[in-house]
Amino acid sequence: KQEVTQIPAALSVPEGENLVLNCSFTDSAIYNLQWFRQDPGKGLTSLLLIQSSQREQTSGRLNASLDKSSGRSTLYIAASQPGDSATYLCAVRDTDKLIFGTGTRLQVFP
Amino acid sequence: ETGVTQTPRHLVMGMTNKKSLKCEQHLGHNAMYWYKQSAKKPLELMFVYSLEERVENNSVPSRFSPECPNSSHLFLHLHTLQPEDSALYLCASSQVWRGGYEQYFGPGTRLTVT
Repeated sequence: KQEVTQIPAALSVPEGENLVLNCSFTDSAIYNLQWFRQDPGKGLTSLLLIQSSQREQTSGRLNASLDKSSGRSTLYIAASQPGDSATYLCAVRDTDKLIFGTGTRLQVFP
Repeated sequence: ETGVTQTPRHLVMGMTNKKSLKCEQHLGHNAMYWYKQSAKKPLELMFVYSLEERVENNSVPSRFSPECPNSSHLFLHLHTLQPEDSALYLCASSQVWRGGYEQYFGPGTRLTVT
């Protein structure tokens, strides 16, 4: 049974720092891995999707990497801003479904 | 309207009430999903519809009853809920069900059962 773990559960950093969020999964047989952002009480916004054949994806200040063999993905956020404060969720896609981690709650203070 | 919309955004209901959540997608997708997000738990998949047929029921209690009248609309009918059913209910859609197609999420309905 696929399990997705995100570390750390919470992170508080000053503005301007570069930071790394971690996601690990137990079964490497995945179609893709997706990173989402969720603001308090709101829905999910897709940030990056990495197909199983890819190693990384970039969008603006965000870079996500995927190492299927070791069951790991990282989300790198460059030059963090207070507007980046949110919960970041990682999810892996097997044949039928997305399986989510519990998220990392990020607070960026000015 | 664009993307995936959900109504209502907030709902408070008693345990004996009957209510429905509505989801609409404007993306031309063929698969739609209901998820439940409880505090401090990962998102849990509840139901999947592909081409208006239910293809997945993730051991959800019968007090939750989904309906998909066409590929653009998805409902979740609620009756005799319990306080532990209070959660954020999220709807999503994707081009097709199986394979690596990206899912697009709505803003959610925050449900409180009193």
